Amino acid sequence: DQQVKQNSPSLSVQEGRISILNCDYTNSMFDYFLWYKKYPAEGPTFLISISSIKDKNEDGRFTVFLNKSAKHLSLHIVPSQPGDSAVYFCAAANQAGTALIFGKGTTLSVSS
Amino acid sequence: EAQVTQNPRYLITVTGKKLTVTCSQNMNHEYMSWYRQDPGLGLRQIYYSMNVEVTDKGDVPEGYKVSRKEKRNFPLILESPSPNQTSLYFCASSLGRANTEAFFGQGTRLTVV
Repeated sequence: DQQVKQNSPSLSVQEGRISILNCDYTNSMFDYFLWYKKYPAEGPTFLISISSIKDKNEDGRFTVFLNKSAKHLSLHIVPSQPGDSAVYFCAAANQAGTALIFGKGTTLSVSS
Repeated sequence: EAQVTQNPRYLITVTGKKLTVTCSQNMNHEYMSWYRQDPGLGLRQIYYSMNVEVTDKGDVPEGYKVSRKEKRNFPLILESPSPNQTSLYFCASSLGRANTEAFFGQGTRLTVV
């Protein structure tokens, strides 16, 4: 059973607009969440993270929101740029810190 | 430059022929891990290592072996590859545990025929 779900396989946004990527999880014991970005033919690169004791973390154009009661997090990109076009993976770390459980990814396309 | 290096980048092999995919990091990271990425399944953890000589199974360890004799290297061994191991493989390392920023290699595209 999938513990981290990204239900939207793809998202298309115009340059300058907001991109919102969503992620749901089922295991309430997860206590750390991370977003990775992946371009074709490259490995994933770390984007932003959030601890379960917070509900928001911001880094430049990227903000991650965490709603623990709903077991839901979202990544906001404002403003979106064509260079943001990539696959975005949501990941949750188990409490032991031994594993990252990834979602299936959402492909973001930003058109100019 | 801080990096995780995997070799080879591409490999086509035949069923049953043992192979090793190497992974090396130059950041003195303690934690290293292997993932495979398959269409529609995202990234799944194969094995991880918390430190030298400490390794453990991830979600999909069947058919794989690893070793961690030195801190910088974490090879992935397929003793008898099968077609269902055709996949894109990523090695990752991080300073602390899995809940810290991980650096990924560029990936190894493996095809087993």
